[in-house]
Amino acid sequence: NAGVTQTPKFQVLKTGQSMTLQCAQDMNHEYMSWYRQDPGMGLRLIHYSVGAGITDQGEVPNGYNVSRSTTEDFPLRLLSAAPSQTSVYFCASSSRTGGTAYEQYFGPGTRLTVT
Amino acid sequence: DQQVKQNSPSLSVQEGRISILNCDYTNSMFDYFLWYKKYPAEGPTFLISISSIKDKNEDGRFTVFLNKSAKHLSLHIVPSQPGDSAVYFCAASESGTSYGKLTFGQGTILTVHP
Repeated sequence: NAGVTQTPKFQVLKTGQSMTLQCAQDMNHEYMSWYRQDPGMGLRLIHYSVGAGITDQGEVPNGYNVSRSTTEDFPLRLLSAAPSQTSVYFCASSSRTGGTAYEQYFGPGTRLTVT
Repeated sequence: DQQVKQNSPSLSVQEGRISILNCDYTNSMFDYFLWYKKYPAEGPTFLISISSIKDKNEDGRFTVFLNKSAKHLSLHIVPSQPGDSAVYFCAASESGTSYGKLTFGQGTILTVHP
């Protein structure tokens, strides 16, 4: 059971480039989320999904797109990278089964630098 | 508008003593609260949680206290161990319509000295 996996671990982009951060979970969790962590800001929710085919915006969605075609995968797309998107990105998943939807399992993170 | 605040960026304690980490929130709709622990270069890991129908929850050396009237929660670690040194985040959620959405505080760096 690998839990939540994220690729790549590190990425450097030039302003204007696009890329996709990958996230996968093998726990059959219905909820998946993307957060970014910036110094002094904690973790802020970018987008989340309550099931395959259903996504919604979080606190800081601008500049990011998501889709959820399967239960396992929840990729995050940066359409045109900007230096303000330099951050550490975490994917998380959780399940309502047993009433533990709030207790999210996090991946190891992707450190993104935009120059 | 920071709805969850951890006003102490860092805390330093001696091994064996108590560590107390604090968290304040402003949104009265929050009814479930969690603490996460994060080591460098790793994702956060769930530590302990509390529902708003309780005022205390214990799990081994970790106890979370909730004061709803003051909109304040705290995490007590007794006794503190060097392996507890990490960043601690408190988080809050609204039940019902907002499953899967957590609002995090800024984090507190805990250092436990041997």
